[in-house]
Amino acid sequence: DTVMTQTPLSLSVTPGQPASISCKSSQSLLHSDGKSYLYWYLQKPGQSPQILIYEASSRFSGVPDRFSGSGSGTDFTLKISRVEAEDVGVYYCMQGIHLPRTFGQGTKVEIK
Amino acid sequence: QVQLVQSGAEVKKPGASVRVSCKASGDSFTTYAIHWVRQAPGQSLEWMGWISAGSGKTTYSQKFQGRITITRDTSASTAYMELSSLRSEDTAMYYCALIDLWGQGTMVTVSS
Repeated sequence: DTVMTQTPLSLSVTPGQPASISCKSSQSLLHSDGKSYLYWYLQKPGQSPQILIYEASSRFSGVPDRFSGSGSGTDFTLKISRVEAEDVGVYYCMQGIHLPRTFGQGTKVEIK
Repeated sequence: QVQLVQSGAEVKKPGASVRVSCKASGDSFTTYAIHWVRQAPGQSLEWMGWISAGSGKTTYSQKFQGRITITRDTSASTAYMELSSLRSEDTAMYYCALIDLWGQGTMVTVSS
């Protein structure tokens, strides 16, 4: 199975400050179509996960532009340019090219 | 606006089976790839399998092979996930999901 490794596992951020989460996969997520099939989700407390980023760097409709994704192949990053109180929760990366689909362990983001 | 609405919470005894339903709104059901993902309390997300709602083709995680069956009823725009031979470790929130939208989750508790 493709192992997804997220770092850090927890993050405490002052509002207005940036945050960054890394996700590394044990196999390349680069498809022959040139896209890397890496997704980022946020699970707010008590809620289902919601998509933020698809195909490594495309922001889903309605997602604030303070969220951005980058990377290709095996190394990926989610950045929040200015963290807001509503961004608290657990962030997961997921690979969408190999079976079984696999998720990172999650990164818990809290506000200082 | 597509929505995925899941059936209600279940409590089962060890050895029993559970079936969770996932009804999709909208008129594009047969275009969906519907995934099933579970989350044990305090844990990360675990992919179980998926079904092509159009063809009915399924793929399961090796971990659940032999215990899981995913089906769909196109006339009801509903997908189903059945898990058999339940044990306490199967206690979790079970989600159906498209790549960009998740159901609200169904809590399954396995307890004697």
